Amino acid sequence: QVQLQESGPGLVKPSETLSLTCTVSGGSVSSGSYYWSWIRQPPGKGLEWIGYIYYSGSTNYNPSLKSRVTISVDTSKNQFSLKLSSVTAADTAVYYCARLGGYYFLDYWGQGTLVTVSS
Amino acid sequence: QPVLTQSSSASASLGSSVKLTCTLSSGHSSYIIAWHQQQPGKAPRYLMKLEGSGSYNKGSGVPDRFSGSSSGADRYLTISNLQSEDEADYYCETWDSNTWVFGGGTKLTVL
Repeated sequence: QVQLQESGPGLVKPSETLSLTCTVSGGSVSSGSYYWSWIRQPPGKGLEWIGYIYYSGSTNYNPSLKSRVTISVDTSKNQFSLKLSSVTAADTAVYYCARLGGYYFLDYWGQGTLVTVSS
Repeated sequence: QPVLTQSSSASASLGSSVKLTCTLSSGHSSYIIAWHQQQPGKAPRYLMKLEGSGSYNKGSGVPDRFSGSSSGADRYLTISNLQSEDEADYYCETWDSNTWVFGGGTKLTVL
């Protein structure tokens, strides 16, 4: 069974860049059958899709975040990563990585990691 | 882009059934959606894909108590024989033009 695990700093200063990595086990990011995605959830609020990447490096981002987001993939490590620049307190959230599976829905999720933006 | 509308809360008694609704915006009534369950303090869990015809495919390990149905622009998640562990937030999801959207979520309370 596919498992995903997020990792990265839990505290980021305003105006800096948030960086997270998702490690995939039980499956391969190089599989041409799936896309790999990031989603976030501010405390007490709903889910927001951030973007996805394909093993080839092809990406697509939420238009509302596009100017600040970069998602990359490292097939040798079976990982994909998120960078969000110029963060503010509004970017404080639990960040999830997930797989876009059959029918292009999010079928496997990581456990999530809380990132707080504060000085 | 499609918009997904969900009631903010619902409640039902232990052992009873509840039907949660996700409504697709005008012009998107044929779209396929997915349902996810998020128990308190946990990550979302994929429950099922649900088509406009009412046909649904559940994720691995999802109990038989969970089922889906559709009517027009409405997509339903029915939970039968409610258990305490069903108390959670439920989100619907869909996509269009390489952009994914979620409903605002329904908080289900099991009485």
